[in-house]
Amino acid sequence: GAVVSQHPSRVICKSGTSVKIECRSLDFQATTMFWYRQFPKQSLMLMATSNEGSKATYEQGVEKDKFLINHASLTLSTLTVTSAHPEDSSFYICSARRQGPSSYNSPLHFGNGTRLTVT
Amino acid sequence: SQELEQSPQSLIVQEGKNLTINCTSSKTLYGLYWYKQKYGEGLIFLMMLQKGGEEKSHEKITAKLDEKKQQSSLHITASQPSHAGIYLCGADIRAGNNRKLIWGLGTSLAVNP
Repeated sequence: GAVVSQHPSRVICKSGTSVKIECRSLDFQATTMFWYRQFPKQSLMLMATSNEGSKATYEQGVEKDKFLINHASLTLSTLTVTSAHPEDSSFYICSARRQGPSSYNSPLHFGNGTRLTVT
Repeated sequence: SQELEQSPQSLIVQEGKNLTINCTSSKTLYGLYWYKQKYGEGLIFLMMLQKGGEEKSHEKITAKLDEKKQQSSLHITASQPSHAGIYLCGADIRAGNNRKLIWGLGTSLAVNP
C-alpha cells in the first residue's frame, strides 16, 4: 500500500490565489522530503528539499518566496504555491525516504502527485 | 548534458515481446532505482540496485547493475499491456562531500495487444 500520501490529487485555482499541497509519510518518519515538479512528458525536476524543523533547501532557479515549504513534523511537509499564475500549472510530486543511518539503502517513496491548474 | 542517460526515449512493442531499457552514467552510481509511472500519477517503486553486478527480478521484470556501477538495464519478458507506462531510472551519485539523486528523462513504453 501507499507509504506516502499526497493531497489534493487535483486542484484548480484562479490566478493570484495560493494553493497548499500536503505530503505525509504514513508509516515512517522522514526528516527529509523532496518536492518535484514534472512537465508533460519530461522527467522529474527537483524543486526543493524539505528539512524537518529547519529551512528548506531550494534548487537553483526556484523562488523560495513563490514556493513556500513547511516541514513542521516528521511526517508532514507542505508546499504552498503563492500568488499562483498559469505558468505554475504543472504536476507536483513529493517523496520521502525512511530516516536512519542506512537511509541511502532505502528507496524514495513517492506520493501520487498533485495536478495544479491555474486559470 | 544529461547526467543520467536513459534509452530509448520511447518504445512500442507487441504483446508478448521482450524489451530492454538502459540507464547510463559517466559517474559511479551508489544506488540505482527503477520506477514506473503512469502519466499524471505518482511513481511506483520497482527495484533498487546497489552492488556491482547485482541483478534483481520481480515477476517478469529484471534489472541489472553492471560491475562498474555506471550502467543499468531493465528487461521485461513477455510484455503485457499492463506493463505500459513511463519507466524512470534514478541514481545516487557523489556531489562534493554529499550525494545527490539524479533522474533519467524516462522511457515511454506502449504495449500493443
